Amino acid sequence: AQTVTQSQPEMSVQEAETVTLSCTYDTSENNYYLFWYKQPPSRQMILVIRQEAYKQQNATENRFSVNFQKAAKSFSLKISDSQLGDTAMYFCAFMKHDSGGSNYKLTFGKGTLLTVNP
Amino acid sequence: ETGVTQTPRHLVMGMTNKKSLKCEQHLGHNAMYWYKQSAKKPLELMFVYNFKEQTENNSVPSRFSPECPNSSHLFLHLHTLQPEDSALYLCASSQQATNEKLFFGSGTQLSVL
Repeated sequence: AQTVTQSQPEMSVQEAETVTLSCTYDTSENNYYLFWYKQPPSRQMILVIRQEAYKQQNATENRFSVNFQKAAKSFSLKISDSQLGDTAMYFCAFMKHDSGGSNYKLTFGKGTLLTVNP
Repeated sequence: ETGVTQTPRHLVMGMTNKKSLKCEQHLGHNAMYWYKQSAKKPLELMFVYNFKEQTENNSVPSRFSPECPNSSHLFLHLHTLQPEDSALYLCASSQQATNEKLFFGSGTQLSVL
């Protein structure tokens, strides 16, 4: 079974600064996807960034980038130029095909509450 | 327009009540999901429907009964729940169950008294 660990329950950062959220995972799979989701107070889970395990290049989406270390099974999220609207719970997630190949299964970490201070 | 709409937003029910949660997606997707989000725990997958057929039941107690009448609508029927069932119930959809991009609704916050 896959596990996803987010070791930082809470973090804070000053507006305009950079913050890095940590995530490690455990799997014996070689092909999989990794995600960071954001859940603001509106509660809707929003996809922030996605990484395919077979790609060595780190994914980037505007101010959001990841540091994907496949051998270390580490997938951290860096948020640059933090904005007040970035305040949210951030969830790291792992996805692979199930053994039957019919579904993708998404496994989440417990989340990190990020607060951006003015 | 979020694409995935869940109603009601909040629900309080007694242990003997019967209620239903509704999810509707306007994205033309064929797969729909129910997730449970409890405090201090990771999100847990409950059910998966692909082209209206249930393809996953993650050992969910029978007091939770899903229904998927078509690819755009998903229900979760609740009866004789327990207080530990209090949680945020999130619906999601994707193009197919083999597509890795999920779109989530804003959830129903359920309190069982």
